[in-house]
Amino acid sequence: NAGVTQTPKFRVLKTGQSMTLLCAQDMNHEYMYWYRQDPGMGLRLIHYSVGEGTTAKGEVPDGYNVSRLKKQNFLLGLESAAPSQTSVYFCASSPLARLDYGYTFGSGTRLTVV
Amino acid sequence: KQEVTQIPAALSVPEGENLVLNCSFTDSAIYNLQWFRQDPGKGLTSLLLIQSSQREQTSGRLNASLDKSSGRSTLYIAASQPGDSATYLCAVRDPDKLIFGTGTRLQVFP
Repeated sequence: NAGVTQTPKFRVLKTGQSMTLLCAQDMNHEYMYWYRQDPGMGLRLIHYSVGEGTTAKGEVPDGYNVSRLKKQNFLLGLESAAPSQTSVYFCASSPLARLDYGYTFGSGTRLTVV
Repeated sequence: KQEVTQIPAALSVPEGENLVLNCSFTDSAIYNLQWFRQDPGKGLTSLLLIQSSQREQTSGRLNASLDKSSGRSTLYIAASQPGDSATYLCAVRDPDKLIFGTGTRLQVFP
């Protein structure tokens, strides 16, 4: 089925380790987003991209980097993981030309940093 | 800065009740508002999308309204069922971003 796919679904990291979360969409959407969800905090925007080769900071960007080398992929990197980055991470996408269009979300990546 | 608030934070009702979930936002300059459902440990499922020019949208037992001038939206669930138990999130869109409320956790008991 068409949609947004996140890899991996679960991961446990040790403090200081690095990793990359992959988001892939096959809907030809220009906009892509990374959110984190923590209990009682709702979903907060980490970084987003409005097109291939572009990235921008969201509400909580510190400790994360992103890249959008291909239109269909949006990578979220943690260079040196910290326990405060334990969270559920969601990727989403939306078409540029249709601001009246809703967002499509992936199923999430549950990350634990010990 | 846009802020989105959802009240109540949690709600527990008996099966069959009609109920209303509330969402308020501080900046009325939004493109649209979207209601999502999230089951425990799962992703987000889009329920309804209301454009800024619309007043309401309906899907089955769900009805969402939007009053931009007052910065409010409501999600009405008719004849609630245990299967409706989930967290309901509203989110408003400015041009580049979707901004979420913290959600209402709904439990419908038999």
